[in-house]
Amino acid sequence: AQSVTQLDSHVSVSEGTPVLLRCNYSSSYSPSLFWYVQHPNKGLQLLLKYTSAATLVKGINGFEAEFKKSETSFHLTKPSAHMSDAAEYFCAINSGGGADGLTFGKGTHLIIQP
Amino acid sequence: DAGITQSPRHKVTETGTPVTLRCHQTENHRYMYWYRQDPGHGLRLIHYSYGVKDTDKGEVSDGYSVSRSKTEDFLLTLESATSSQTSVYFCAISDGRGNTGELFFGEGSRLTVL
Repeated sequence: AQSVTQLDSHVSVSEGTPVLLRCNYSSSYSPSLFWYVQHPNKGLQLLLKYTSAATLVKGINGFEAEFKKSETSFHLTKPSAHMSDAAEYFCAINSGGGADGLTFGKGTHLIIQP
Repeated sequence: DAGITQSPRHKVTETGTPVTLRCHQTENHRYMYWYRQDPGHGLRLIHYSYGVKDTDKGEVSDGYSVSRSKTEDFLLTLESATSSQTSVYFCAISDGRGNTGELFFGEGSRLTVL
């Protein structure tokens, strides 16, 4: 079985300050982990992915995430928030390497204060 | 952007009526998926397909059926819609290479069952 837990349903930061969105995972196998972003009334867009190569993964729009096996975590960070980062963010896992899709967390709503 | 088209994008229907959502892809990807998105639940897998006429159930398949008669089309059918099936439905595709599980998403179909 595999699962991800997003530890915060809402995160609010001021523009220009760092962003931290937390994700813990559970997996019986070596997982692939993903972060997706969803802007209002849009589909999901891949931000970045970890697939057993480098543990620090850089994505689009200045986001990065670090895979920490000892902590079973895959937290998403950005040094400086921008108003355009306001969106819903989803952590997802695929640990079987199979075709049965990704398992998603419940999402974190990121609010950017001016 | 991945060539994924969902139709209809918006639909309002009444309880007990049949509904079919269509996902059309131009990427020739082998794997296709239907997810539903509900507040507080993230995305949950309904059904998926690993080839023409090859489909399997996901986490929340009750009340839904699917068909895939061509590589490019994946249909989701609600035989008798219920209010609990009011949701946003997303189609996703994957080429399955490297077993990383990365998915590409359509823009979503918003279904309201009155």
